[in-house]
Amino acid sequence: DGGITQSPKYLFRKEGQNVTLSCEQNLNHDAMYWYRQDPGQGLRLIYYSQIVNDFQKGDIAEGYSVSREKKESFPLTVTSAQKNPTAFYLCASSIQGAGHEQFFGPGTRLTVL
Amino acid sequence: AQSVAQPEDQVNVAEGNPLTVKCTYSVSGNPYLFWYVQYPNRGLQFLLKYITGDNLVKGSYGFEAEFNKSQTSFHLKKPSALVSDSALYFCAVRPTTSGTYKYIFGTGTRLKVLA
Repeated sequence: DGGITQSPKYLFRKEGQNVTLSCEQNLNHDAMYWYRQDPGQGLRLIYYSQIVNDFQKGDIAEGYSVSREKKESFPLTVTSAQKNPTAFYLCASSIQGAGHEQFFGPGTRLTVL
Repeated sequence: AQSVAQPEDQVNVAEGNPLTVKCTYSVSGNPYLFWYVQYPNRGLQFLLKYITGDNLVKGSYGFEAEFNKSQTSFHLKKPSALVSDSALYFCAVRPTTSGTYKYIFGTGTRLKVLA
């Protein structure tokens, strides 16, 4: 899982609560990404950031928010507006440019009670 | 729409036999292609990539992949499978179109290597 850490590993949330998932990298990568993984659906992009203080919506951004105040940090907030948040969340980073692979964190499994 | 297809949800192979996990893509231009592996409750690990050059790319753990431009395919292969290769494999594509920053992932193929 390289130089990317995600915390917590498991997270339980009550309906109506916002929760924040942490993602930190020490790889000096400019680009960072958040994905959601559900069984049989592969990885779906939530948000991505190419540079500090800038980020773009991915394919399923509704009900999520992010910030990128520091190069090494890209936290994801799952808001109460996200109707079905139970999933496995993966953070990734990469060097800028299309030919570079992504490095993934170990993931956070979020369960709504 | 740009997409990546992994047509098999699961591939079963006997230990010691060759394995192939298929990937085809529908992306304009000349995209960059990647394979990743995921073990249970873990993040994805990079295996190999095709950028340009030789159509046969070698990667980690004895895996290789063959790029076929005319068939828009990038199949993952290994000459002799190990039980420890059992995992979930993802193909990903990065378009090289200007202004595109996303990676497009397939839905994954579960590989089961039987002892």
